Amino acid sequence: QSALTQPASVSGSPGQSITISCTGTSSDVGSYTLVSWYQQHPGKVPKLMIYEDRKRPSGVSDRFSGSKSGETASLTISGLQAEDEADYYCCSYAGSSTLVFGGGTKLTVL
Amino acid sequence: EVQLVESGGGLVQPGGSLRLSCAASGFTFSSSWMSWVRQAPGKGLEWVANINQDGGGKFYVDSVKGRFTISRDNAKNSLYLQMSSLRVEDTAVYYCARAPLFYFDCWGQGSLVTVSS
Repeated sequence: QSALTQPASVSGSPGQSITISCTGTSSDVGSYTLVSWYQQHPGKVPKLMIYEDRKRPSGVSDRFSGSKSGETASLTISGLQAEDEADYYCCSYAGSSTLVFGGGTKLTVL
Repeated sequence: EVQLVESGGGLVQPGGSLRLSCAASGFTFSSSWMSWVRQAPGKGLEWVANINQDGGGKFYVDSVKGRFTISRDNAKNSLYLQMSSLRVEDTAVYYCARAPLFYFDCWGQGSLVTVSS
């Protein structure tokens, strides 16, 4: 149950696109189509942004997209906006009904 | 509207026990997997435990196995986390979350548990 690996921080200017990576292993990210992504603003409750690698819940902007290649999943935010500044966490199914989160990435909008 | 409301948090000494509750409304609780997720102060999210629809399947992160017990009462639309042998490192905000297919689509507001002497 080792945490997934995310960059500690990423940044971008308004209107740009950024990508946050999430690297796991063949026991979690690489084995299942069950990576999810969460946005958390300071002092707020996490919000689901992507599930099952690339699906977007109703109400989430289509500027958010998910993808995966092998053991690395990615969250891309296009047309960056000031309100996107937050912490982002990936999470993967890890077998036997267990889950594992990434360490989180702080997104700064310059 | 889907709603999850945690209660039961507070200050407890190391080695002590505490039970968290989560009251669910706005959805068919008995049809949903449920989870507890925690976040230590200034740290990231950590999955703690899952329970299946009828409560017969319970799963835990290694660090809480043998100390925490997840349970549910479908008649009361409630989820619980019994925590014992608490350690300083268990200090965190504990979130109740609905987990339809190993992702968390609805979260409670969180309940702070502080383990300190």
